[in-house]
Amino acid sequence: DVKVTQSSRYLVKRTGEKVFLECVQDMDHENMFWYRQDPGLGLRLIYFSYDVKMKEKGDIPEGYSVSREKKERFSLILESASTNQTSMYLCASSPSRLSPAGDNTEAFFGQGTRLTVV
Amino acid sequence: KQEVTQIPAALSVPEGENLVLNCSFTDSAIYNLQWFRQDPGKGLTSLLLIQSSQREQTSGRLNASLDKSSGRSTLYIAASQPGDSATYLCAVPRLTFGEGTQLTVNP
Repeated sequence: DVKVTQSSRYLVKRTGEKVFLECVQDMDHENMFWYRQDPGLGLRLIYFSYDVKMKEKGDIPEGYSVSREKKERFSLILESASTNQTSMYLCASSPSRLSPAGDNTEAFFGQGTRLTVV
Repeated sequence: KQEVTQIPAALSVPEGENLVLNCSFTDSAIYNLQWFRQDPGKGLTSLLLIQSSQREQTSGRLNASLDKSSGRSTLYIAASQPGDSATYLCAVPRLTFGEGTQLTVNP
């Protein structure tokens, strides 16, 4: 059974704290994604990684950074948490189109982390 | 930039009805399209992935079709059940999402 696991289901942090959200996948996928989801705004891409140590900014990267030191792990970092970063954070992974998967790049999501910054 | 639109934004139907959810995209140069389901407060669950070489995919009561030339996909749900109540989202590469259709199936 394919699995994307996010380290926390619920998290409460204080303004100004440095926050780490961890995501691990066990499917040997090349691609990993971080989104945030807010009511009325849909899913917004924060960062995308297509390989170890490789990353691309998404639509809303401000205030966030990412780390991908190993293929299976993709971390989202809030350098100095603010209340407007209170949100549901979702991690996903998928194979690369260049892999044996070809066009069958089915993506899988973790269970989400509900982050509250107070 | 690819834009994905889902219509309707919300849908409420009685149990047993067959229904169609719509997804349209502006750039037809896609190699697949994926449909997801999301329950409140949860992550997304993959339902179906249609590759560009396919016209449709079926899983149980779900059938998804893809027409690249017109930039459209539909998700057909047969004999809807209250357990089908959720938000349904479509995505095109690289995981660009529509805003979803919130479905409520009433007993």
